[in-house]
Amino acid sequence: AQSVTQPDIHITVSEGASLELRCNYSYGATPYLFWYVQSPGQGLQLLLKYFSGDTLVQGIKGFEAEFKRSQSSFNLRKPSVHWSDAAEYFCAVGGGDDKIIFGKGTRLHILP
Amino acid sequence: EPEVTQTPSHQVTQMGQEVILRCVPISNHLYFYWYRQILGQKVEFLVSFYNNEISEKSEIFDDQFSVERPDGSNFTLKIRSTKLEDSAMYFCASSSQGGRSNTEAFFGQGTRLTVV
Repeated sequence: AQSVTQPDIHITVSEGASLELRCNYSYGATPYLFWYVQSPGQGLQLLLKYFSGDTLVQGIKGFEAEFKRSQSSFNLRKPSVHWSDAAEYFCAVGGGDDKIIFGKGTRLHILP
Repeated sequence: EPEVTQTPSHQVTQMGQEVILRCVPISNHLYFYWYRQILGQKVEFLVSFYNNEISEKSEIFDDQFSVERPDGSNFTLKIRSTKLEDSAMYFCASSSQGGRSNTEAFFGQGTRLTVV
């Protein structure tokens, strides 16, 4: 069955520190992978996506993610976080049909 | 920048009442979706819609739910008789392509439905 696991419900980092949010997926075929961000009171904004090709994907706001097929992972990274990055981050997988399967999300807190 | 617009942003309704959540997808998109997010839980797929019919629906999307594209611009989700457990944030999304070609779904800001 298709599923996405985000093992960290909350993560707290200091402003300027590096960030890695973990995501593991289970999918029968080659997955399409996404990271979305949801700021308080806002909708879901796509940060980046992986369909094929280079396994290191660059996104908006300085984020990147690396697809590792052997580990079934698609971790999100940012070298230096800003206070405005505080939000909820959702990893998601899609593929042969219309729907996207979301993880439960990781809430990122930034310390000044 | 084109965006998906949802109205209202917040709706409170009494249990048993009908509600209609409205969405205006991006104008040249052909695939439309509803997702919901119960507070503290993950975003869940409800239904996808293409060419004026449902293309896929989840187990959550039972007979109490229906979708419609009444006038070529709006895309609505109707809940016939709301239950307390229908309280959630409902997201509309649209994309220019679907299935294996789905490149990106654009999400609206959501409608928070509270059933009392």
